[in-house]
Amino acid sequence: DAMVIQNPRYQVTQFGKPVTLSCSQTLNHNVMYWYQQKSSQAPKLLFHYYDKDFNNEADTPDNFQSRRPNTSFCFLDIRSPGLGDAAMYLCATSWGQFGETQYFGPGTRLLVL
Amino acid sequence: AQKITQTQPGMFVQEKEAVTLDCTYDTSDPSYGLFWYKQPSSGEMIFLIYQGSYDQQNATEGRYSLNFQKARKSANLVISASQLGDSAMYFCASGTSYGKLTFGQGTILTVHP
Repeated sequence: DAMVIQNPRYQVTQFGKPVTLSCSQTLNHNVMYWYQQKSSQAPKLLFHYYDKDFNNEADTPDNFQSRRPNTSFCFLDIRSPGLGDAAMYLCATSWGQFGETQYFGPGTRLLVL
Repeated sequence: AQKITQTQPGMFVQEKEAVTLDCTYDTSDPSYGLFWYKQPSSGEMIFLIYQGSYDQQNATEGRYSLNFQKARKSANLVISASQLGDSAMYFCASGTSYGKLTFGQGTILTVHP
């Protein structure tokens, strides 16, 4: 089945230690998104790629970076995680940008010690 | 700018009964999409149903239907014949022309046996 895969499902890191979260997709979608979701809140878009074009949300901290080496993979790098970065990180994909349905992966729960 | 309002923080329903989850939206875009997602305690966002702003008919997907009233800017989700597995957080979202999803704050649905 075509799907969005996120690894790992749970990630524990130390304060200030860089961490990378991974997302892959078999849907062959053009657009990939990264969302941050804190407890009992709505998901918040961090950035998205339309093909190789990177689009950063204005309020995304510089501590968060992303890479998309090919159509299938997208990575979220947190350069110096703080306690406030503990959250669920959701990857999503869509075929196009206009009002298209976004399909989400299972998410990665990040814990910062 | 887009805004989604879900006024019901929590809803309770008896198994096999129908339930309506409310959603109102505010957008300046002439063309937009409205989505409902289900998020169980595991964290994955599951796409349920989509309504385009120009669609004449209300969207239906199995036990899910979207009661779209454009003049009132509402897009309520109706779940018929509730099941215990429907217990989850439900998010209403709108999609803009460049792909960003704006989510409401969510409604926690609890289905009682």
